[in-house]
Amino acid sequence: AQKVTQAQTEISVVEKEDVTLDCVYETRDTTYYLFWYKQPPSGELVFLIRRNSFDEQNEISGRYSWNFQKSTSSFNFTITASQVVDSAVYFCALSETNSGSARQLTFGSGTQLTVLP
Amino acid sequence: DTGVSQDPRHKITKRGQNVTFRCDPISEHNRLYWYRQTLGQGPEFLTYFQNEAQLEKSRLLSDRFSAERPKGSFSTLEIQRTEQGDSAMYLCASSLDYLTYEQYFGPGTRLTVT
Repeated sequence: AQKVTQAQTEISVVEKEDVTLDCVYETRDTTYYLFWYKQPPSGELVFLIRRNSFDEQNEISGRYSWNFQKSTSSFNFTITASQVVDSAVYFCALSETNSGSARQLTFGSGTQLTVLP
Repeated sequence: DTGVSQDPRHKITKRGQNVTFRCDPISEHNRLYWYRQTLGQGPEFLTYFQNEAQLEKSRLLSDRFSAERPKGSFSTLEIQRTEQGDSAMYLCASSLDYLTYEQYFGPGTRLTVT
């Protein structure tokens, strides 16, 4: 069965610091997708990125970057020059392809990021 | 361009009462998912629809829960004889089709059972 672990429950940084959120996953599938979602205080989950298991290239989008390492089953998320508006709960999630057609997401327990001014 | 909407946003009910939530997915999205999120945890999958067909239910979905998606558009999730353990945020998400993996979430319905 699939599992996602986000060991960091809470992280607090001062504005402009870089911060990395860790995500470790378990799956028996050879083909799968990984995601990051942001949940601000308003509660709505916002999709940030999807990566498939074939592509281990790191990705950068503005201040956000993602490091996918299949060898360590990790998909870490770095925010560069953090801002107060980045304060939110961040969830890593996994979707398998070989366990049926549901494509449901398995989420980690989230990391609460607080960026202090 | 409208996202996923859910109604109501908050619901307070007494134990034993029935409640119904509604979700309107992004138009043209034919997959619709329901998740439940408790405090301090990530969302957990409950069930999903491909058009009007409910294709999978998780073990979390007891027989007091029922979901429908008539005509493959909006969906409703009903909880009968609510219990305090049902208190949670109920999230709805939609995705375009079976080839699409990213899901777009609504704002959720927060249920409090007193």
